[in-house]
Order: sequence, then structure tokens, then C-alpha cells
Amino acid sequence: NAGVTQTPKFQVLKTGQSMTLQCAQDMNHNSMYWYRQDPGMGLRLIYYSASEGTTDKGEVPNGYNVSRLNKREFSLRLESAAPSQTSVYFCASRKEEDGYGYTFGSGTRLTVV
Amino acid sequence: ELKVEQNPLFLSMQEGKNYTIYCNYSTTSDRLYWYRQDPGKSLESLFVLLSNGAVKQEGRLMASLDTKARLSTLHITAAVHDLSATYFCAVINDYKLSFGAGTTVTVRA
Repeated sequence: NAGVTQTPKFQVLKTGQSMTLQCAQDMNHNSMYWYRQDPGMGLRLIYYSASEGTTDKGEVPNGYNVSRLNKREFSLRLESAAPSQTSVYFCASRKEEDGYGYTFGSGTRLTVV
Repeated sequence: ELKVEQNPLFLSMQEGKNYTIYCNYSTTSDRLYWYRQDPGKSLESLFVLLSNGAVKQEGRLMASLDTKARLSTLHITAAVHDLSATYFCAVINDYKLSFGAGTTVTVRA
């Protein structure tokens, strides 16, 4: 049981380039989330998807788009990368009914130069 | 907007002594999470606190929740080096999990 799988693990982009971060979960969870982590700021929610077919903005959505491709997959796209988007990105999923926690992926370390 | 505040942000612990990390949050929630993160790693779930007065313990860590005071504490008993990490509390509100800034713990001999 792989849990939440994120790809790639590391990426360096030039300013203005685009890329998509991939996330897949095999736990049949309904909700999926994208967070970014910056030093001293904890994790901040970028976008989330409460169920297949729905997406909503979180705390810091500017510069990002998301796609909930199916129940398993939730991708995050940077259309025109900026140095301010240098961060560690975490995908997470959750099955609300069990009342318990979130499962986090291993993270993608993105540097925009 | 839900705000989650942790203190202290940095905690230097001496081995064998006891310490407490505090987590305050600004709006009603009946579910609070504690996570641990080692450098360069993902988040590891420590505790989920589901109701007022909930107390959970695992090894040297004990977490409690007071929903009326909107306060959770993470108590560390007899600190050991293995507990060096960053600890986050997080509160759920309307599907969304909001995190505190984290407490970076260093345990020294």
C-alpha cells in the first residue's frame, strides 16, 4: 500500500517555465490537498478537492491551478513559475468518514531560479 | 479566518527534563492534530484529538485538548535526543487543515 505518491521529488525551474506536480493516492480517499511549506510559516493550503470533480481555493492559490483528474489523482500546475514559488510542496489525502488524520506525500522540493 | 498559533517556536531541551508546547486556535473546532517532521522529511501523524478533554499518550509524548479554551498542549516527559524534530499542530475547519508555524525542538545532553 503506497499511500500518497508525489512526483517529482526535486525540480529546478527557470522563471517563466511551467510544470505540473503529480499526486496520486491509493487509499480510496475522497479529499485531496496541496500545501506549500516555507521556513517559519508552517504549511499553507494552496488548493483542495473535497471530492472527485470539485476543487476550491485555499489560503495561497495565486499562481497555481489544479486538476482532480479522478478519485486517485490531484495535480498542481504552475503556469509561469516565479522565484516566490520556491518551496516544498506536499500533497495530502483524507477520508473524512473515519474522523482521523491526513496522509501526506513525501514532498516535492521546487526551486525557481 | 482560522489562525493557529504555536509557542514556543524554538525549544532547546535538556535530556531528562519535561517541557510543554502550546497550540492556540482562533475559531471553534472539535478536531486537532499533532504532527512531527524530521528535517527533509514528510509529516508523521502523532495524535488526533477529537473531543474536549481528550488526552492521548504515546511514549514520552502526551497531547491534550481543551476546546473551550481553544488550546492544545503537547507535553514531553524526560526528553531524549530522538525527540529532536519540528512539531506542528493543525486544526480542521470546513474540510481544510490549518497549521501552526511549528516548534523546532532540539534536545541536548
